[in-house]
Amino acid sequence: GAVVSQHPSWVICKSGTSVKIECRSLDFQATTMFWYRQFPKQSLMLMATSNEGSKATYEQGVEKDKFLINHASLTLSTLTVTSAHPEDSSFYICSATRGGSYEQYFGPGTRLTVT
Amino acid sequence: EDKVVQSPLSLVVHEGDTVTLNCSYEVTNFRSLLWYKQEKKAPTFLFMLTSSGIEKKSGRLSSILDKKELFSILNITATQTGDSAIYLCAGRDSGYALNFGKGTSLLVTP
Repeated sequence: GAVVSQHPSWVICKSGTSVKIECRSLDFQATTMFWYRQFPKQSLMLMATSNEGSKATYEQGVEKDKFLINHASLTLSTLTVTSAHPEDSSFYICSATRGGSYEQYFGPGTRLTVT
Repeated sequence: EDKVVQSPLSLVVHEGDTVTLNCSYEVTNFRSLLWYKQEKKAPTFLFMLTSSGIEKKSGRLSSILDKKELFSILNITATQTGDSAIYLCAGRDSGYALNFGKGTSLLVTP
């Protein structure tokens, strides 16, 4: 159990367009979901924490109007990169926790390339 | 500001060697230290350490935490080419969020 999926796994978009990335917990209800970004040869940087039904908490330096997070159900969170620019090209990974557990289950990641 | 620092940043060893990866942390309200292995996709969980001095072991991998000196090590014995990956450590505070280090890139050559 505890499988997290992401869709799409890879996306290329043009500068100025918006891209939505989905994160789903397939076999459990995710009380909290996290969104991370990873640039090449860098570590995972936490972007935001989201709890179902409430507004996401963004880390310092992450623009909430640019990276829209919606956690509408206990199994789905979405990250929308609005007006994407080449510098937004990165590997975006979500993770989820269930119940009272602190263990995070990671999705496989989404590679975003903005041309 | 919370900080997790890993060393070395990269390492190349021969199959059969033993490696030690280091992780030092400064995390307010520290609760646990986690190790992950990352190959081409998302990280996979290795260990979670909450208590000092208690070694956790899984096959050829082991890890230990020193809460007094604020560091952890990950040991891999008899390395294999399949151990080649980036190893990440992360500190967790009283919340759920993880603060990751930059990782150690390990390459095991045949």
